[in-house]
Amino acid sequence: AQKVTQAQTEISVVEKEDVTLDCVYETRDTTYYLFWYKQPPSGELVFLIRRNSFDEQNEISGRYSWNFQKSTSSFNFTITASQVVDSAVYFCALRSGYSTLTFGKGTMLLVSP
Amino acid sequence: DADVTQTPRNRITKTGKRIMLECSQTKGHDRMYWYRQDPGLGLRLIYYSFDVKDINKGEISDGYSVSRQAQAKFSLSLESAIPNQTALYFCATSDPRGPGELFFGEGSRLTVL
Repeated sequence: AQKVTQAQTEISVVEKEDVTLDCVYETRDTTYYLFWYKQPPSGELVFLIRRNSFDEQNEISGRYSWNFQKSTSSFNFTITASQVVDSAVYFCALRSGYSTLTFGKGTMLLVSP
Repeated sequence: DADVTQTPRNRITKTGKRIMLECSQTKGHDRMYWYRQDPGLGLRLIYYSFDVKDINKGEISDGYSVSRQAQAKFSLSLESAIPNQTALYFCATSDPRGPGELFFGEGSRLTVL
């Protein structure tokens, strides 16, 4: 069985603040993939990043960065200098073994001007 | 044009009516999925299909049925809609040769009165 926990239901920040979205996962498989998706108010689901279990290097893409730590089973997502356009629901997801993707319940991020 | 197209995008119906949500894709992927999104519950898998002859139940298949008419088409049916099936429905595809990243349609918002 696999499970994804996003403990933060909703986060509110003011523009230019840094914010970290937490994701904790559970799986017994040694090979697995982790994903982050963004769902802006318009409703579509936008793929942000994929990480496999053998690659613990952190990733940075502009203002976005991801911290993958197998020791704590976490794959956290940080937005630096947040902007209003970052307001969205963010989903973390896990696929291990031959299973389908399992999503966390999502974290709603509200960035105020 | 979108790679994964869902129709209709919005539908309001009454309890007891039969509803079909259709999904077509141009990505050439064998794997297709139907997810349901409810506020605070994340995305939950209803059905998935790994090829035209393969149909599998997901986490919440009760009250739903599917049909895989071709590699590119995967339809979701509600035989007798009920109000708690009011939700946002997403179709998705994935490449079996890849890590399982999902490519989503734009979503179909269904309201059952």
